[in-house]
Amino acid sequence: QVQLVQSGADMKKPGASVRLSCKTSGLTFTDYAFHWVRQAPGQGLEWMGWVNPVNGDTKYSETFEGRITITRDTFATLVFMDLTGLRSGDTSIYYCTAAKDSSYPYWGQGTLVTVSS
Amino acid sequence: YEVTQPPSVSVSPGQTVTITCSGHKLGEKYNSWYRQKAGQAPELILFKDVERPSRIPDRISGSNSGNTATLTITGTQPMDEAHYFCQPWDGSTVFFGGGTKLTVL
Repeated sequence: QVQLVQSGADMKKPGASVRLSCKTSGLTFTDYAFHWVRQAPGQGLEWMGWVNPVNGDTKYSETFEGRITITRDTFATLVFMDLTGLRSGDTSIYYCTAAKDSSYPYWGQGTLVTVSS
Repeated sequence: YEVTQPPSVSVSPGQTVTITCSGHKLGEKYNSWYRQKAGQAPELILFKDVERPSRIPDRISGSNSGNTATLTITGTQPMDEAHYFCQPWDGSTVFFGGGTKLTVL
């Protein structure tokens, strides 16, 4: 069974950086693109970017360009998302997703990142 | 690129409900729909406009043409009460609608 298991909740101060991880299992890692999507409390979903696990190519939302880096470790079937310059508006649940057929059939459990002084 | 959904829709049990998703030439992009219940990750219920994952019943259907994609639920049940999000994709960039809260009265 497919699992995307994300790292645990984190609390950061404004200006700090955060690295989230996503360990995948039960799927062929190179058959999917891996995206990160976030959801602020009580709000909708916001796409952040994705990584091609075959060659490491990335595409980021303009909203996060310059602050986000998505990487992968193909051998360990891990995906990482680094976000810098954190501010209170970045407080959200961050989801790792596996994409296929222009959609997200698999989601991680979500990681709450709280940004507060 | 702006994607618009009604914030809320209500339906009586057993009735049919439609949730719309609007965007410029949205019909030229593949669209997916997700259902999200409180405290849970979103769940894919439709992809490539009309395709259902195997676990999703056929009372859930979709369409996408022109500027509007539509999610239709027939024989609505109390378990269908949730937030629904549309997600068009133009091949490299992903968009989400703001979400629609479906209430089954």
